[in-house]
Amino acid sequence: TQLLEQSPQFLSIQEGENLTVYCNSSSVFSSLQWYRQEPGEGPVLLVTVVTGGEVKKLKRLTFQFGDARKDSSLHITAAQPGDTGLYLCAAGFGNEKLTFGTGTRLTIIP
Amino acid sequence: DAGITQSPRHKVTETGTPVTLRCHQTENHRYMYWYRQDPGHGLRLIHYSYGVKDTDKGEVSDGYSVSRSKTEDFLLTLESATSSQTSVYFCAIKYGVDYGYTFGSGTRLTVV
Repeated sequence: TQLLEQSPQFLSIQEGENLTVYCNSSSVFSSLQWYRQEPGEGPVLLVTVVTGGEVKKLKRLTFQFGDARKDSSLHITAAQPGDTGLYLCAAGFGNEKLTFGTGTRLTIIP
Repeated sequence: DAGITQSPRHKVTETGTPVTLRCHQTENHRYMYWYRQDPGHGLRLIHYSYGVKDTDKGEVSDGYSVSRSKTEDFLLTLESATSSQTSVYFCAIKYGVDYGYTFGSGTRLTVV
């Protein structure tokens, strides 16, 4: 069974600060996705990365896929209250299923 | 965006009763998934489908069954609900290889 660990589990920071959350796997994965989930709703896809070492940017969010394809990070610059939510990473391991991490619950304090 | 709806949004049921949750998509996506989400466990795959009448088990399939008689509908059944099945259930569809999932808004199920 592939495991995905996310850290930290909880993060509470002031508006305007920067932050990084991490996703680590016990196995090499073929693709990695990041989702954000708000209360009462399903997760919403933010990005998909498939190439080792790949970096993608989405406005103030920067996603990195580790060279060894076993880790990924999400960096948010100048966090805003609208960034508050549960951030989930999800990895594909060469089949049609995704394995999800347990998530990082982010709170941005105005 | 593919339309994906789950019903009901909320349900309270008694231990031992059967329960069926429905997932409906408005486009002909091949892959559909049922997950449950619990604190400390994240999203865990229950069952998935790769076509009409083609389904397979996920990591937490015990106590659950699924059916897919039409492309657009994927049903999740709890044959005899237990308190451990109290959870939020999400259905998802996948657009294709290297694409992410689109999730429904979830069904909050409480078994009392």
